[in-house]
Amino acid sequence: GQNIDQPTEMTATEGAIVQINCTYQTSGFNGLFWYQQHAGEAPTFLSYNVLDGLEEKGRFSSFLSRSKGYSYLLLKELQMKDSASYLCAVIYNFNKFYFGSGTKLNVKP
Amino acid sequence: DVKVTQSSRYLVKRTGEKVFLECVQDMDHENMFWYRQDPGLGLRLIYFSYDVKMKEKGDIPEGYSVSREKKERFSLILESASTNQTSMYLCASSYSSDQETQYFGPGTRLLVL
Repeated sequence: GQNIDQPTEMTATEGAIVQINCTYQTSGFNGLFWYQQHAGEAPTFLSYNVLDGLEEKGRFSSFLSRSKGYSYLLLKELQMKDSASYLCAVIYNFNKFYFGSGTKLNVKP
Repeated sequence: DVKVTQSSRYLVKRTGEKVFLECVQDMDHENMFWYRQDPGLGLRLIYFSYDVKMKEKGDIPEGYSVSREKKERFSLILESASTNQTSMYLCASSYSSDQETQYFGPGTRLLVL
């Protein structure tokens, strides 16, 4: 719903940096979340952006541009345990959550 | 720590059976949600509830109903299970829907034969 688009799959090398993009429809936008989901497990919260700019939290950072309907999740110093799916989710009109299909990240040695 | 639990991790049912999926949260959250997750489609909202005895339809409510008799418990009901309801079902809860994150349960993988 709401055309939340993110790449299906990405591959990166251990120790490298990877950027996962997410685009969405801007009308009614109230906030954007990133979740991490390991195979067979529930999603876990990574970040929440409601204002433009970069939010840094350890090795993970999330960026938002509300005017462009664009966000990215930046993962630095990749570790093997970062292999997971990363879900972009947007709140619209204060009460509707929509999730993207997720980006499967494969971290290789 | 917030804890959201779901009654079963794996469930196998036959077409036409009535299925109950239970979700319980222990953090006094007002909001509770039921999603299903399918490959290539991401998480899709089935129903949500902002208070006891209150429910609202999400994006794909057809074939499902819900019950919230107590604040901590939110049940998803498949009145007559069908094979296209085979999926991973995830329950989540939160304090408010516009500021706070949702906390997810471990999920129930349902197979309808």
